[in-house]
Amino acid sequence: SQQGEEDPQALSIQEGENATMNCSYKTSINNLQWYRQNSGRGLVHLILIRSNEREKHSGRLRVTLDTSKKSSSLLITASRAADTASYFCATGAFGGQNFVFGPGTRLSVLP
Amino acid sequence: GAGVSQSPSNKVTEKGKDVELRCDPISGHTALYWYRQRLGQGLEFLIYFQGNSAPDKSGLPSDRFSAERTGESVSTLTIQRTQQEDSAVYLCASRPGSNSGANVLTFGAGSRLTVL
Repeated sequence: SQQGEEDPQALSIQEGENATMNCSYKTSINNLQWYRQNSGRGLVHLILIRSNEREKHSGRLRVTLDTSKKSSSLLITASRAADTASYFCATGAFGGQNFVFGPGTRLSVLP
Repeated sequence: GAGVSQSPSNKVTEKGKDVELRCDPISGHTALYWYRQRLGQGLEFLIYFQGNSAPDKSGLPSDRFSAERTGESVSTLTIQRTQQEDSAVYLCASRPGSNSGANVLTFGAGSRLTVL
């Protein structure tokens, strides 16, 4: 299985602090994506990083990928209360069409 | 449509009844996915459709679960003889076809199923 596993399972920080979440996976991947979910409903895509990329930025988001360690991290800088949500990583395989999601990290940003 | 539409948004049913959940993907998206998410848990893959190819049913948990999709349009997930363990949010997602450079999934808001 190429299941992604996020850690920590839950993270609580103060507004303005940075939040870092990690994702590990088991097999070779084509790309890795991070999604956000509010209130147990639909997920929203945040950022995609390809297997030949090491770092990517989008606004306050920074994603890194280390294929040798089969791991990725998502950094949210200058967090806001509105960033409170669950964050999931999903991996896509070469030649495969399925996307496997990890169990997620529940982030709470306290005002 | 502009987004992925799922219905019903909420469904309460009695144990043993059959339920149908509907997903209307983004127009032109050839790939469609169903996931199940139990309370406080991650997403569990159920089934994947790609165009007219045979669907990947490897995630369906039992023969009580089935799904259909006609062409590149609406999909229906059917759960027969529902059990309390089927209570969850069922999420549908779509994306452009496999030959497209876009690998991003667009999710619907989900159908919350409660089996009493």
